Amino acid sequence: GESVGLHLPTLSVQEGDNSIINCAYSNSASDYFIWYKQESGKGPQFIIDIRSNMDKRQGQRVTVLLNKTVKHLSLQIAATQPGDSAVYFCAERGLNFGNEKLTFGTGTRLTIIP
Amino acid sequence: EPEVTQTPSHQVTQMGQEVILRCVPISNHLYFYWYRQILGQKVEFLVSFYNNEISEKSEIFDDQFSVERPDGSNFTLKIRSTKLEDSAMYFCASSEVRGAAGNTIYFGEGSWLTVV
Repeated sequence: GESVGLHLPTLSVQEGDNSIINCAYSNSASDYFIWYKQESGKGPQFIIDIRSNMDKRQGQRVTVLLNKTVKHLSLQIAATQPGDSAVYFCAERGLNFGNEKLTFGTGTRLTIIP
Repeated sequence: EPEVTQTPSHQVTQMGQEVILRCVPISNHLYFYWYRQILGQKVEFLVSFYNNEISEKSEIFDDQFSVERPDGSNFTLKIRSTKLEDSAMYFCASSEVRGAAGNTIYFGEGSWLTVV
């Protein structure tokens, strides 16, 4: 079946370094991808999104890269801070009416080492 | 910043009992969702709701589940007869419009349901 999955379940990064979190998806019909951050005991928080007609999008300290050829998505966080420690989920959805539900990946736990 | 609010934050209930989880979506949003997350697992879609009716639901959302928008601000999830496997964090979410890129879905803090 169609799925969105993550390569690595955990990632530890020294504070101040850059981090890269990867995600593979298998639904070639996916139009829209989102990265969410989830802190312990809280709901998913939107970080950044990208449409399938783009290959890169930048936000504040974050960059999302999309490689449609290999169905791969990544989230780069620059100059990591302790507050970046969380579980990060990629999610995909369609853009058509009736196909807006988010399909989440399994999550990567990012730990920032002081 | 507007946010989705959920109550209760935590509820413990006995197996077979009915549970109602409540949500107040962001005020100008029109599209509402329930998701759930079993401990240590990924977030799963349950149901989406638009224009006072269900627009999409997953296999998880069986006859034991129902949703309602009883007034202009609340959105509820009812589980008629809870089972042990219903224990999970339930997230309400909302979005302003449907079917458009940049249509950010905002999540609440969740209601943790424990069935004993």
